[in-house]
Amino acid sequence: DAKTTQPPSMDCAEGRAANLPCNHSTISGNEYVYWYRQIHSQGPQYIIHGLKNNETNEMASLIITEDRKSSTLILPHATLRDTAVYYCIVTQGNTPLVFGKGTRLSVIA
Amino acid sequence: NAGVTQTPKFRILKIGQSMTLQCTQDMNHNYMYWYRQDPGMGLKLIYYSVGAGITDKGEVPNGYNVSRSTTEDFPLRLELAAPSQTSVYFCASSYSFLFNEKLFFGSGTQLSVL
Repeated sequence: DAKTTQPPSMDCAEGRAANLPCNHSTISGNEYVYWYRQIHSQGPQYIIHGLKNNETNEMASLIITEDRKSSTLILPHATLRDTAVYYCIVTQGNTPLVFGKGTRLSVIA
Repeated sequence: NAGVTQTPKFRILKIGQSMTLQCTQDMNHNYMYWYRQDPGMGLKLIYYSVGAGITDKGEVPNGYNVSRSTTEDFPLRLELAAPSQTSVYFCASSYSFLFNEKLFFGSGTQLSVL
């Protein structure tokens, strides 16, 4: 049973912000939201995670709604190298990560 | 920095053959994982291990076996290969389930069973 819902694909113009949504309406109070991405056929790579507060690092920003039922990953200035599949994962941190199908982001020149 | 190393990168098997996919990590991680990824799909967990001598089944363990005799190595064994096992296999490691920001993946093994 999927804990998250993501659009299957999105496009973004190079240099613009890419906003990737994730719905996790059944999230519980002690579950974190993690984002990973997978470039072409490489192994997934960690991007960012959060519990309640918005988070920012050198790669991206994570905005979590106040009710925590959804979140948005923001890549502020998308480049062609950001073309990848992005996975939103909800976890308590007591089991292995479960990867859904993710969102395929295409950054277009 | 080697990280997680998988061998081989590519392999073609005939139906019914067996093989072992090798995975080794040099980060002293206790937790190791095997995932498979079919075209256009997300990763599915096959087996995982929380330490030497301890293994557990994931979502899709049928047709596979694992062992964990050392902290560094976590080989995945395919017995009697079937076309349904054609996939890309990823090994990963981490300190624990809690530290998912430090879940590191190998570069994958592309396996075709014909």
